[in-house]
Amino acid sequence: AQSVTQLDSHVSVSEGTPVLLRCNYSSSYSPSLFWYVQHPNKGLQLLLKYTSAATLVKGINGFEAEFKKSETSFHLTKPSAHMSDAAEYFCASSMDTGRRALTFGSGTRLQVQP
Amino acid sequence: GAVVSQHPSRVICKSGTSVKIECRSLDFQATTMFWYRQFPKKSLMLMATSNEGSKATYEQGVEKDKFLINHASLTLSTLTVTSAHPEDSSFYICSASGTSEQYFGPGTRLTVT
Repeated sequence: AQSVTQLDSHVSVSEGTPVLLRCNYSSSYSPSLFWYVQHPNKGLQLLLKYTSAATLVKGINGFEAEFKKSETSFHLTKPSAHMSDAAEYFCASSMDTGRRALTFGSGTRLQVQP
Repeated sequence: GAVVSQHPSRVICKSGTSVKIECRSLDFQATTMFWYRQFPKKSLMLMATSNEGSKATYEQGVEKDKFLINHASLTLSTLTVTSAHPEDSSFYICSASGTSEQYFGPGTRLTVT
């Protein structure tokens, strides 16, 4: 069985400051891990994914995440927050590259203050 | 990238009626499609997995007679909410899987009055 835990339900940062959204996973095998962003009443947009290649994954819009097996973590970071980054972020895992159903974390709402 | 559409994007129906939601992969063939449900301010929960030409596999706790899923072609899956009730109001999101990964539709907001 696999599970995903997003440690913060809500994160607030000031524009221009770094963003850190935390995600821990639990799996009996080496999973693929994903970060998605969801704007209000919209679908999911893939930010980045880890599929057992490089542990530091770069995604769109300046986001990146590092897979740390020893810590079972896959935290999402961005050096400088932008107002447009305000949204809901979901961490997810899958048994393969993503063709199978995803297990989602509970989500983190990112608020960006001007 | 691959595009998945959903129709309608928003629907309001009366209690007791049925509603059909379509999920289409526009530029690739989807052997597998997934249906997720998202409650307000909550995460996505997998409802069922459908493979083209075969019966859908439902997650525990999801009523298969209430949420009818049909995956008749490699580009179309439908979810029908039968005899809808206010507690069925939710955001329903589909995803379609091709050869390498899955792609999400924009979601359908269902409101049952």
